[in-house]
Amino acid sequence: EVQLVQSGAEVKKPGESLRISCKASGYSFTSYWIAWVRQMPGKGLDWMGIIYPGDSDTRYSPSFQSQVTISVDRSIDTAYLQWRSLKASDTAMYYCARRIDILTGYADYWGQGSLVTVSS
Amino acid sequence: DIQMTQSPSSLSASVGDRVTITCRASQTISRHLNWYQQKPGKAPKLLIYGASSLDSGVPSRFSGSGSGTDFTLTISSLQPEDFASYYCQQSYSTPTWTFGQGTKVEIK
Repeated sequence: EVQLVQSGAEVKKPGESLRISCKASGYSFTSYWIAWVRQMPGKGLDWMGIIYPGDSDTRYSPSFQSQVTISVDRSIDTAYLQWRSLKASDTAMYYCARRIDILTGYADYWGQGSLVTVSS
Repeated sequence: DIQMTQSPSSLSASVGDRVTITCRASQTISRHLNWYQQKPGKAPKLLIYGASSLDSGVPSRFSGSGSGTDFTLTISSLQPEDFASYYCQQSYSTPTWTFGQGTKVEIK
C-alpha cells in the first residue's frame, strides 16, 4: 500500500529554521516525483516545487524559489521541505504528494499534511 | 508561467442540482488538466485526470471535458458528500504544476 506520512505540527518563531518530512512507503521511492503544496489558512492550493528522488532533480515555483529548499534522503525514502528563516506568512498546512504520469502528470497519493505555525 | 483561472470562486446549490465549474488556462495546455476535490481538514483527492478520465472509485456523476484552454468539471446530480472545494491543476509544463484558485461548493 502506497503511503506518504508527514511529520507532525510545528510551532516556530519568526527567524527560526525548520525542516518537515514526508516518508514514502509501498512503492519505489526513486521512481516517482514528489511535490510540495502549500495551503494557507482558508485559502487555495499553491504548488511550491517538485523533486525526483532518483537523481534529486528539483524544480521550484518562482514564488518559492530561494524561499525554501526541497531535498530527499534516498536511504530512508524521505523527502524534505526546509526553511532557513521562517516568517509569519509561512503559517500554513503543507502537503507532499506523489506525482504519477498517465496521460498527464497528477498527484495520486497525498500525505496527511504538516501544519506549520509561525508566531512570536 | 501558465496561469489557471477558475470560476466561480464559490457557488450555492441544492442536492440534486447539476453543477458546472470552469477552468481557463492562460495558454493552450492540450488535455493536461486535472481536477481535485478537497474537504475541510483533509488532503485533496484526485477526481479527474487528463481532462476527462475518471479516477478509480470516483462516482460517475463527476465528469470532465475540454481541451486547449477551456475546461469544465460537471457534477450531474449533487450529493451531500459533494459539498467541498474543487481545484483544477495544469500539468502541461511538466514537471511543474499550477493550481486554479478553487471553487467552494456550498449548500443552498
